Amino acid sequence: SQTIHQWPATLVQPVGSPLSLECTVEGTSNPNLYWYRQAAGRGLQLLFYSVGIGQISSEVPQNLSASRPQDRQFILSSKKLLLSDSGFYLCAWSVHLNYGYTFGSGTRLTVV
Amino acid sequence: AQTVTQSQPEMSVQEAETVTLSCTYDTSENNYYLFWYKQPPSRQMILVIRQEAYKQQNATENRFSVNFQKAAKSFSLKISDSQLGDTAMYFCAFMKDSNYQLIWGAGTKLIIKP
Repeated sequence: SQTIHQWPATLVQPVGSPLSLECTVEGTSNPNLYWYRQAAGRGLQLLFYSVGIGQISSEVPQNLSASRPQDRQFILSSKKLLLSDSGFYLCAWSVHLNYGYTFGSGTRLTVV
Repeated sequence: AQTVTQSQPEMSVQEAETVTLSCTYDTSENNYYLFWYKQPPSRQMILVIRQEAYKQQNATENRFSVNFQKAAKSFSLKISDSQLGDTAMYFCAFMKDSNYQLIWGAGTKLIIKP
């Protein structure tokens, strides 16, 4: 069966520090991968998506970047965090159009 | 561009009652997919139900069912015999047949009262 792992679950980082969030998928190959951000009480904002290794599309210009070094690994990074980067980050994957997305458990990031 | 609208920011019902969450969307596509996701306080996003636009029959998953009106571009979610564990944010989402990107509604906060 397919599973998605996302870590860490919670992170508190000072302004100006780097960030690395990791997401891995098991049990499938060549998935589409997504990074979303969700502010408190708000909807989902698509940050990045990837349809293959090394292929990254950015939806929102910002302080963040994404990489896909392996087929089932998706990494969200920042060189210098801003206060506005605080939020709940969700990784997701999809393989078939009609099955929608499967989400990881999320990372709550607080920049202080 | 496709848009998804959820006109009810918040709803609350008594346990065991039936509740309907509304969702409308705008698209010129003929083939697409519609989804309802649930996000409980744990914030894990969980797929509740999905509907393929070319299927006229409304999807059903246990206590959850949809009323899909393609001509009206409406996709409401009905929860029967509501339970305390149904308390969550509910998001409606749309996906074109030609790509994998989901378009999200703003969400409806549903509270089930004991």
